[in-house]
Amino acid sequence: DIVLTQSPGTLSLSPGERATLSCRASRSVSNNYLAWYQQKPGQAPRLLIYGASSRATGIPDRFSGSGSGTDFTLTISRLEPEDFAVYYCQQYGRALYTFGLGTKLE
Amino acid sequence: EVQVVQSGAEVKKPGESLKISCQGSGYTFSTKWIGWVRQMPGKGLEWMGSIYPGDSETRYSPSFQGQVTISADKSITTVYLQWSRLKASDTAIYYCARRGASPDAFDFWGQGTVVTVSS
Repeated sequence: DIVLTQSPGTLSLSPGERATLSCRASRSVSNNYLAWYQQKPGQAPRLLIYGASSRATGIPDRFSGSGSGTDFTLTISRLEPEDFAVYYCQQYGRALYTFGLGTKLE
Repeated sequence: EVQVVQSGAEVKKPGESLKISCQGSGYTFSTKWIGWVRQMPGKGLEWMGSIYPGDSETRYSPSFQGQVTISADKSITTVYLQWSRLKASDTAIYYCARRGASPDAFDFWGQGTVVTVSS
């Protein structure tokens, strides 16, 4: 199985700043099937990015995804107060899914 | 409007059986995979398995194969997650989620079902 390593574990920033979250795969992700989710306390995860760089419906354009192969990045260009949450990357390949352990943005 | 609605919280004893449900609406239910995701207290997300309601084709994570059973009843647009003998370590929130147009994207999520297993 592909292992996803997210870094940093915790990211401390302020509103208005730029956030850069990393997700590294133990081997190449098929077809760049790499998604990013946001989860706030007490809520279900919300899909932000799929296919490494495609924004999901209704996601603000301050969220962007990039990368290919084994290295992927989620960038939040200007943090809004509602963006402070936990972010997970997830890959799909060989009919299996794996999630990273998450980055807490505080 | 697409909706994914899960059954309510459960409190069970070790060794008991349990079946929780996830009902989809607002789309052609039989044509979209549904996945189950576990979140243990204070921990991250773990994919357990997925089912295609159209023909009940099912795929399991190796970590959960043999530990749970996923099934579907497309006549009532509902997917199930079942345990035959619960353990305390099954205490978690369980989410179901619809797979969207892209294979990697779970685009609509249920609200989660809290399962507590305690003697």
